[in-house]
Amino acid sequence: DADVTQTPRNRITKTGKRIMLECSQTKGHDRMYWYRQDPGLGLRLIYYSFDVKDINKGEISDGYSVSRQAQAKFSLSLESAIPNQTALYFCATSGAGGGTDTQYFGPGTRLTVL
Amino acid sequence: RKEVEQDPGPFNVPEGATVAFNCTYSNSASQSFFWYRQDCRKEPKLLMSVYSSGNEDGRFTAQLNRASQYISLLIRDSKLSDSATYLCVVNMNTGFQKLVFGTGTRLLVSP
Repeated sequence: DADVTQTPRNRITKTGKRIMLECSQTKGHDRMYWYRQDPGLGLRLIYYSFDVKDINKGEISDGYSVSRQAQAKFSLSLESAIPNQTALYFCATSGAGGGTDTQYFGPGTRLTVL
Repeated sequence: RKEVEQDPGPFNVPEGATVAFNCTYSNSASQSFFWYRQDCRKEPKLLMSVYSSGNEDGRFTAQLNRASQYISLLIRDSKLSDSATYLCVVNMNTGFQKLVFGTGTRLLVSP
């Protein structure tokens, strides 16, 4: 079984709809991240969380919110989706401490906003 | 200037060839460097970390040049299965593990 899972894997929605993307991990990691990937732009950090009580904005948090329901679960919400939020979204986890911890990614959610 | 810059490619090489990718980074205080591999529409996966002294893992060699602020990845004896996008990743050392991802270099290995 995959260590980092994301649901749904694909989603098509309409402008103005509320969308939630979910991420679960069985790696026992404290740190979790949400990224989006757009062609030609690379991965960009939306939000990150170091533990259940610690949530921080990344470089492109506008239009998004997150919830860390448990150590193993980190959800990303789009309160009112817009077309330029069409992208590939990845959740990632890492262990605590040090700048050399590897980040492990989920399989991604492909979101299309019409 | 982008924080992490890579040549997008694609690099088209025959099987057995040696190919090298370079990546430059803007923050001289950066401490940790990585190469990730990403297959089409899949998640990025760590290929190797890059250490100051350079490091090798089988057919893959990574080098770091702090003075010039670039890192490189050398792939020897290319295989068809090496076809993928290679992401240069730098930890900007801003107090937490902020990884900045390059846009990737695409490699196509042909028979």
